[in-house]
Amino acid sequence: HVQLQQSGPGLVKPSQTLSLTCDISGDSVSGDFVAWNWVRQSPSRGLEWLGRTYYRSRWFYDYAVSVKSRIRINPDTSKNQLSLQLTSVTPEDTAVYYCVREPDSNRINYFDYWGQGTVVSVSS
Amino acid sequence: DIQMTQSPSTLSASVGDRVTITCRASQSISKWLAWYQQKPGKAPKLLIFDASSLESGVPSRFSGSGYGAEYTLTISSLQPDDFGTYYCQQYFSGSRTFGQGTKVEIK
Repeated sequence: HVQLQQSGPGLVKPSQTLSLTCDISGDSVSGDFVAWNWVRQSPSRGLEWLGRTYYRSRWFYDYAVSVKSRIRINPDTSKNQLSLQLTSVTPEDTAVYYCVREPDSNRINYFDYWGQGTVVSVSS
Repeated sequence: DIQMTQSPSTLSASVGDRVTITCRASQSISKWLAWYQQKPGKAPKLLIFDASSLESGVPSRFSGSGYGAEYTLTISSLQPDDFGTYYCQQYFSGSRTFGQGTKVEIK
């Protein structure tokens, strides 16, 4: 049974970097065929896919155009963990952030396991 | 990006009613559509994938249909636990866009 446990600060100042971590159990961050994503949800933007990483002999990364210049998703195989960094945040980045599994990285796919969500507010 | 439009935005129905939610894509997405249920304060939960495949453990009263650009989620007999907001999501293109949601209330 896959479980995703998220952690990270709930308040970030404008222009700073948002950093979140997702501990994965019941699967491997470098597992065959799965991909690991971050999705956020806000009243103004709804549910929004941010990016993903997956391992197929090497690491691959896909990022949403809207955040491509500011986002970094990092897998940590030693801790079986996924992290998200979003730089130069503004109040528009205020949202609930989710760590999410995609069951088949061979193609773009749906999301079958979700973390509990982390509420992040961007405010001074 | 492919735009996903759900209707209605809100619906109120009684226990036992048959409920249908529609999701329209701005272009054909073949069958690459999923449906999720979200309860307040919780993460979305996968119900249906590939337009009509029921996720393991999801009650059989939930079903999905459609192809091309128009899809429906049907709850054959609404139960008290089915309240929440339902979202469709396309995964035909890399942006994986979601609908704006349909809030289901129990009368």
